Parts: sequence; structure tokens; C-alpha cells
Amino acid sequence: KQEVTQIPAALSVPEGENLVLNCSFTDSAIYNLQWFRQDPGKGLTSLLLIQSSQREQTSGRLNASLDKSSGRSTLYIAASQPGDSATYLCAVSTSGTYKYIFGTGTRLKVLA
Amino acid sequence: AAGVIQSPRHLIKEKRETATLKCYPIPRHDTVYWYQQGPGQDPQFLISFYEKMQSDKGSIPDRFSAQQFSDYHSELNMSSLELGDSALYFCASSQLAGWSTDTQYFGPGTRLTVL
Repeated sequence: KQEVTQIPAALSVPEGENLVLNCSFTDSAIYNLQWFRQDPGKGLTSLLLIQSSQREQTSGRLNASLDKSSGRSTLYIAASQPGDSATYLCAVSTSGTYKYIFGTGTRLKVLA
Repeated sequence: AAGVIQSPRHLIKEKRETATLKCYPIPRHDTVYWYQQGPGQDPQFLISFYEKMQSDKGSIPDRFSAQQFSDYHSELNMSSLELGDSALYFCASSQLAGWSTDTQYFGPGTRLTVL
């Protein structure tokens, strides 16, 4: 059974810092992994999608990497801004089922 | 570009009432997924449909049922509502092609409040 864990659970940083969010999964037979952002009480905003054959994806200040063999993905946020404050969720789609298993999220606060 | 549409966006019900949530997938998407996100929790998979047939099932209570119609829209029916059913319900759609599937695109969610 796929289990997804995110560390840290919460993070508070001053504006301008580069930071790394971690996502671990137990079953390496994944189809893809997606990083989402969620503002309080709001929906899911897709940030980056990494297919199982890919090693990383980049969008603006965001870079996500995937290491299937070790069951890990990281989301790197460069030059953080107060507007980046949100909960970040990673979700893993396991081969054969396609449903997403979500991690518990990292609650990020960027201080001005 | 067209996105996944969910209606209603907000719904308030009393305990023991019934609720119906609707999901309209992106055009040409044939697969629909339903997820439930309780307060302070991560989204949990409920059920999915491919070509109007149930394709996978998660932690969906027996009080809930769902179906996918010929136009690929899906409805989640919830009966005998309980306080614990208060949550954000997401629908996602994708296109299954052969043995692979496109990524899931999520709708904005329906916030259900049970009083």
C-alpha cells in the first residue's frame, strides 16, 4: 500500500530564502508525481508534474526532482516571497491504479 | 482552456439529509476521480470511473454512491449526512489511452457543510 510522507510539516522562513520541501513514498512503482499548492479553504493549484521517466521539472522559481529508486521527491523554491505562503502537497499516482495518494502537506509561511 | 467544473461550489445541509455533487470533466476526458478533504487533512481518494464503469474504489462510505453518465459527467450522491461528512470534495478528470493515462486535472471543489 502506497504511503506518502512530507517533511517538514510546517516551515517558517524569512523572505528571500531558498527552501526545499521533501516528499517520500513507499512504493517506487509510480506513474507520476504532482506537486500542488493549496491556500486555506481553497482548491488545489497544480505546480509541477513529473512523469515516472523524468528526473526533474522546472517552472519559474520552482524546481521539482524525482528519485524513484529512493522513493523521494523534492520541491525547491528559490527566493521565497510572502505570496508563497500556503500548504504544499505532493501526490503520487501508482502504476495500475492511477488514483492519487496525497502526502500530509507542508505548511509554509514566508515572513516579510 | 476548459477546466473541470464542479457544482455547486458551496452546499449546506442538515444532518440526515441527502446531497448531490456534480462534476463535469474536461472535454474528451473519459475518467473521473472523486476525493474528499476533511478539515486539516489531506485529500483522500473516494472512487473513480472510466467509461461509465467504476474503475477503483477507496474509503467511500456505504451511504455514498456515485456514477458516471453517458456525457461523462459524474455525480456523487451522499445520503444520511453526518457532521463528519463536512469537507471539501474534489473531482478530477483525465484521459485514459490504452495502458496509460494523462495527468489528472482537478476542479475547484465543492465545500459541503453539514449542520
